[in-house]
Amino acid sequence: SAVISQKPSRDICQRGTSLTIQCQVDSQVTMMFWYRQQPGQSLTLIATANQGSEATYESGFVIDKFPISRPNLTFSTLTVSNMSPEDSSIYLCSVTSDYYEQYFGPGTRLTVT
Amino acid sequence: DAKTTQPPSMDCAEGRAANLPCNHSTISGNEYVYWYRQIHSQGPQYIIHGLKNNETNEMASLIITEDRKSSTLILPHATLRDTAVYYCTYTSGTYKYIFGTGTRLKVLA
Repeated sequence: SAVISQKPSRDICQRGTSLTIQCQVDSQVTMMFWYRQQPGQSLTLIATANQGSEATYESGFVIDKFPISRPNLTFSTLTVSNMSPEDSSIYLCSVTSDYYEQYFGPGTRLTVT
Repeated sequence: DAKTTQPPSMDCAEGRAANLPCNHSTISGNEYVYWYRQIHSQGPQYIIHGLKNNETNEMASLIITEDRKSSTLILPHATLRDTAVYYCTYTSGTYKYIFGTGTRLKVLA
C-alpha cells in the first residue's frame, strides 16, 4: 500500500481566485489520479497524471480550469482556477498499486464563497 | 464507461454479517471487480478485489457469480465502525475507475 498526504486539508476561498492542492506519496508511482466529490455525491475522475507527460482529462474537465503538474514520481498538484461556488467539493488524489487497486489521500475540502 | 448498480442503502445489526450486492453486467472477462468504502468523507479505502474466484482477506469476503455479472461483499461480523458508503467498481480496460453511487451501510447497535 501507499501512504498519501494532501495539502491543504481544507480551505475557504473567494470566487474568482485559484487554489493549488498538493499530493505527496511515500513511494514512487507511475500513475496518479485526481477526483472530485461534490457534496453528497460519488467520486468523479477529473484526470490521470503520469510523470513526464501531459495529464489526460475526463469529459467535462479542461486543463484551463484544472491544470495539473506531475514533476516527479512522488508528487502532483491540482489547481482549481477561477473558482465559483460550484467548485465547492472534496478533491482527492489517488495512486495505483501493481494490482490496480487504488489508494486515496485524505482529501482537500474546498468551500468557495 | 464501466457501470455498476448497487442498492442505495442497507442496515445491518451489529455482529451480524453484512451482504452488499453489486451488479456489473457489462464487465469484461479480464477485468477485476474492486470494492472500496468511504467513511464520513475520508478518502476511500480499498477493501478487496477479485476476478473469478471468491476471495477473502482480513477485512471481508468477495463472492463473484460464475457469469461474473454480479458480486457480493460480505462483512462477516459487522461493527459500528463499518458504517460507511461502499462502492464496487471495475476498470473499463484501463486503470480508470468509474464509481457509481454506492451503498450506504448503517450498522445498528
